Amino acid sequence: KQEVTQIPAALSVPEGENLVLNCSFTDSAIYNLQWFRQDPGKGLTSLLLIQSSQREQTSGRLNASLDKSSGRSTLYIAASQPGDSATYLCAVLPDGSSNTGKLIFGQGTTLQVKP
Amino acid sequence: IAGITQAPTSQILAAGRRMTLRCTQDMRHNAMYWYRQDLGLGLRLIHYSNTAGTTGKGEVPDGYSVSRANTDDFPLTLASAVPSQTSVYFCASSRDGDTGELFFGEGSRLTVL
Repeated sequence: KQEVTQIPAALSVPEGENLVLNCSFTDSAIYNLQWFRQDPGKGLTSLLLIQSSQREQTSGRLNASLDKSSGRSTLYIAASQPGDSATYLCAVLPDGSSNTGKLIFGQGTTLQVKP
Repeated sequence: IAGITQAPTSQILAAGRRMTLRCTQDMRHNAMYWYRQDLGLGLRLIHYSNTAGTTGKGEVPDGYSVSRANTDDFPLTLASAVPSQTSVYFCASSRDGDTGELFFGEGSRLTVL
C-alpha cells in the first residue's frame, strides 16, 4: 500500500532563508506527484505537478524535484517570505489510478517564515 | 472568477439528517472529486467522476453518494449523517481524469452532532 510521508511536520525559518521540504513515498510506481499549498481554513492550491518521466519542475521561487527510484521528492523554496507561511502537502497518483483521482496525500509540513 | 464553488461553507447538522454538499465548477473540467480532510488522517478520496454520467468510489465511500448529471455540478449527499462524518469536505476538479493536476474548492466544514 502506497504511503506518503512528509518530514518535518513543522518548520520555522527566518525570512530570506532558502529551504527544502521533503516528501517520501513507499512505492515508486507512480503516475505523477503534485505539491500543494494550503492556507488555514482554505482549500488546496496546486503549486507544481511532476509527471513520472520528469525530474523537476520550476515555478518562480519554487523548484520541485522527483527521484522515483528512491521514492523521494523535494520542494525547494528560495528566498523565503512571510507570505510563504502555509502548510505544504505532497500527493502521489499511483500507476493504475490515473483515471480515478486517487491521490495519496502526505500529512503536510507547516511552514512559518518569520519576518 | 473561474474556479470551484462549494456550498454551504459551514453547516451544523443533527445525526440522522440528510445533507447535500454542492459543488460547481466553471472550468469545463471533465473530472471531479470529493475529498474529506481530517486531522491526523489527511485528505482521503470519497468519490470521483471522470465525465458527466459516470461516478466511481474512492477510498472512503461508505455513507456518501454522488451524482454527475452534467459537467459543472457534482453534489455529495449524506443520506443519514453520523458524527464520524464530521469533517472538512473539499471538491476538486481536473481537466481530464489522467492529467492529475487538481484544482480545489474552499471547502465545506460539516459538524454532525
